[in-house]
Amino acid sequence: QQPVQSPQAVILREGEDAVINCSSSKALYSVHWYRQKHGEAPVFLMILLKGGEQKGHEKISASFNEKKQQSSLYLTASQLSYSGTYFCGTEGYNQGGKLIFGQGTELSVKP
Amino acid sequence: GAGVSQSPSNKVTEKGKDVELRCDPISGHTALYWYRQSLGQGLEFLIYFQGNSAPDKSGLPSDRFSAERTGGSVSTLTIQRTQQEDSAVYLCASSLAYGGAGGYTFGSGTRLTVV
Repeated sequence: QQPVQSPQAVILREGEDAVINCSSSKALYSVHWYRQKHGEAPVFLMILLKGGEQKGHEKISASFNEKKQQSSLYLTASQLSYSGTYFCGTEGYNQGGKLIFGQGTELSVKP
Repeated sequence: GAGVSQSPSNKVTEKGKDVELRCDPISGHTALYWYRQSLGQGLEFLIYFQGNSAPDKSGLPSDRFSAERTGGSVSTLTIQRTQQEDSAVYLCASSLAYGGAGGYTFGSGTRLTVV
């Protein structure tokens, strides 16, 4: 099943913080986060594995609660370059790396 | 190559024609994935390859869709008798290892328009 992302959209001023959530109804082996700018391919941000947390970029971090089957992406002190659509991709066990993506969260950072 | 290469970047075809979309993954990446993205929508899984084998074809929408991968490298997605609902951006991604460790690298996609 497709994971559910929230919120669907968020508008920020530069310097503000945001949290994007990703929730699955299935047990998860890993969660990936990607950012896609308009007209471009998605770009990998980070992966979180069961039992771990990985910080992929300065000021962008994420957590993974495997019991709740949820992951959250934290963007702090947002910059204009953070604008785009953020997707979580969830991998179940024995799925060979196949990701099921959420519907995306559109983030707009204004000056 | 340095990145995942997809061709053509744009394809306009008449309803009922067959099309072939090509993906050239990063050298050494054993896993290859096909997704499609309709306008303003998320990414829909189609099929993935581990080497030349396709363990999971569950996302292919109909038997008009097929894909193959040869030599553990280039993959071709074929859509026969195209329909208007096939219009979308078809994205290919590759990853270094089984399990997607290290994340996917996506190509720029093929924008398919069926008229």
